[in-house]
Amino acid sequence: GEDVEQSLFLSVREGDSSVINCTYTDSSSTYLYWYKQEPGAGLQLLTYIFSNMDMKQDQRLTVLLNKKDKHLSLRIADTQTGDSAIYFCAERRPGINKFYFGSGTKLNVKP
Amino acid sequence: NAGVTQTPKFQVLKTGQSMTLQCAQDMNHNSMYWYRQDPGMGLRLIYYSASEGTTDKGEVPNGYNVSRLNKREFSLRLESAAPSQTSVYFCASSEAGTGTYEQYFGPGTRLTVT
Repeated sequence: GEDVEQSLFLSVREGDSSVINCTYTDSSSTYLYWYKQEPGAGLQLLTYIFSNMDMKQDQRLTVLLNKKDKHLSLRIADTQTGDSAIYFCAERRPGINKFYFGSGTKLNVKP
Repeated sequence: NAGVTQTPKFQVLKTGQSMTLQCAQDMNHNSMYWYRQDPGMGLRLIYYSASEGTTDKGEVPNGYNVSRLNKREFSLRLESAAPSQTSVYFCASSEAGTGTYEQYFGPGTRLTVT
């Protein structure tokens, strides 16, 4: 919603790295999130980054934030078939507790 | 601890019918949200409630009403359903005091309007 942009599809081979990109809209957004949605389920928080950080690493996940370009990326190392899902980026704009989501990137992992 | 629950899971309505989607959370969160998910459009906010007793419009409120019945429950009502309201509806809750403002989502209600 409101122009948080992601590409719609990404296909990788098992064992490769996946990089999912997102462009958000509000340079004053304080928190940026990556959510994962498996088929038929709701969204679950995967990781987040606070706006004063450039990078955050959590096991196989690396989040990079470029505030100047309002660009967020999620790298998944050693991608597995269980990582196949839709990944949403989201921004929390300051002031009120509201969130804006991208359209989601469907990650397909081929064996 | 069930988290966020939604009922029903599936619903088929005829144009013009009304229905209420129910949502409840047991995490004592102040904020609750209703989103709709359409292919290629991500999640769009319909209404949200920052705290018990308050509700505000989101991006796509037309055709919907909400009630924050108490701190636990936040319902979404379609007074006269239209085919354009065919979608998957998600309820979510979050709490400012957690530090990350993480949203917790229910499993969704898949609604078809014919």
